[in-house]
Amino acid sequence: EVRLVNSGGGLGRPGGSLSISCAATGFTVSDNYFTWVRQAPGMGLEWVAGIYRGYNTFYADSVRGRFTISRDISRNTVHLQIKGLRDDDTAIYYCARTVMTPEDYYYYMDVWGEGSTVFVSS
Amino acid sequence: DIQMTQSPSSLSASLGDRITITCRANQSISNYLNWYQHKPGKAPKLLISPPFTMGSGVPMRFRGSGSGTDFTLTITSLQAEDFATYYCQQNFHTPWTFGQGTKVEIK
Repeated sequence: EVRLVNSGGGLGRPGGSLSISCAATGFTVSDNYFTWVRQAPGMGLEWVAGIYRGYNTFYADSVRGRFTISRDISRNTVHLQIKGLRDDDTAIYYCARTVMTPEDYYYYMDVWGEGSTVFVSS
Repeated sequence: DIQMTQSPSSLSASLGDRITITCRANQSISNYLNWYQHKPGKAPKLLISPPFTMGSGVPMRFRGSGSGTDFTLTITSLQAEDFATYYCQQNFHTPWTFGQGTKVEIK
């Protein structure tokens, strides 16, 4: 079965660090692109970071310099490292496998993890 | 950044109704638009990817249309399992952006 299983997250202090991960089953992370999307309480979905186009990394302005997306091929896992936690980082974080169509470079997120909660509070 | 605006923000409908959700981009995004369904406590689900390709297992009652700046998602006959929040999302340029969501509720 093709799945992404979230782990990590939890309570973090402002200015602190957290890490969240998604373990892939049924497919290999080495052959795929990935996206992290978050949903703050009462809000909509927000694109946070992605690995696309030759496995380059891309970030939302609000997280650039603080978040790092990476793949661990040996563990078949995708990571999101968060530093300099802020109150507005409180959210559910979803990882998603991201497919690119080779002809037109359309991207879409077809397999999602169930989400990891990050709560930032002093 | 490309701004995506959905309308309405919420709607109430009955089983069997036909509903349409509109998504507008503030610049042309060609066909680079996805639609997702999101239920509370669940992972988002891909409904439609470019160019209007149905996601895996998505029923035929979901239909996408549009190009450039104006797009629509239509559910031709609303079923009980369709009550959820729907998001459009552009993948034309990073940062990818979502619409604010349309919550579909039972009348």
